[in-house]
Amino acid sequence: QLQLQESGSGLVMPSQTLSLTCAVSGGSISSGGYSWNWIRQPPGKGLEWIGYIYQNGNTYYNPSLKSRVTISVDRSENQFSLRLSSVTAADTAVYYCARAEVMIVPYFHYWGQGTLVTVSS
Amino acid sequence: EIVMTQSPASLSVSPGERATLSCRASQSISSKLAWYQQKPGQSPRLLIYGASTRATGIPDRFSGSGSGTEFTLTISSLQSEDFAVYYCQQYSNWPPGPGFGQGTKVQIK
Repeated sequence: QLQLQESGSGLVMPSQTLSLTCAVSGGSISSGGYSWNWIRQPPGKGLEWIGYIYQNGNTYYNPSLKSRVTISVDRSENQFSLRLSSVTAADTAVYYCARAEVMIVPYFHYWGQGTLVTVSS
Repeated sequence: EIVMTQSPASLSVSPGERATLSCRASQSISSKLAWYQQKPGQSPRLLIYGASTRATGIPDRFSGSGSGTEFTLTISSLQSEDFAVYYCQQYSNWPPGPGFGQGTKVQIK
């Protein structure tokens, strides 16, 4: 059974960079056939897709966040990561990692449990 | 950008009754629509994709219908575990990519 587990800093200072990692177990990122996604949800609000990466390193980002987002993959550790720069309070959210089948615009079969990131001084 | 609008925002239903949730797209998305269920403190769970195909392990009391711009999720006989927030998501439009509705909260009446 595929499992995704987010980890990273739960508190980030304004203007700094948010960094999260998603560890994948029960399946290999290197096997291909999937995209590895980040999605976020501000407290009490709806869902926003951030972007995804393929196992070959190709990335697609939400245009509204593209200038601040970097998603990378570490196949040796079977994990992928999110970096979001120049954060503000508006970036406070639960961040989820998720897996989707390969398609330009995906939907999401498997989700991690999520991790809350608070942007505050 | 395609805007997804869900209605109603909240719905009060008695256990055993039918619930009907609506999702409208601002332009045609064919059948590229998914539905998710989210319980408090949990991540979303995929229920339906392709507007009407149930995901693995989803009970048949959940059904989806529609195409183009109008979609419906029906829960035929609500069970206690079905009280949650439900989101629709389009996967038709690039850019900007996947887009979600604002959710419908199904509450116990």
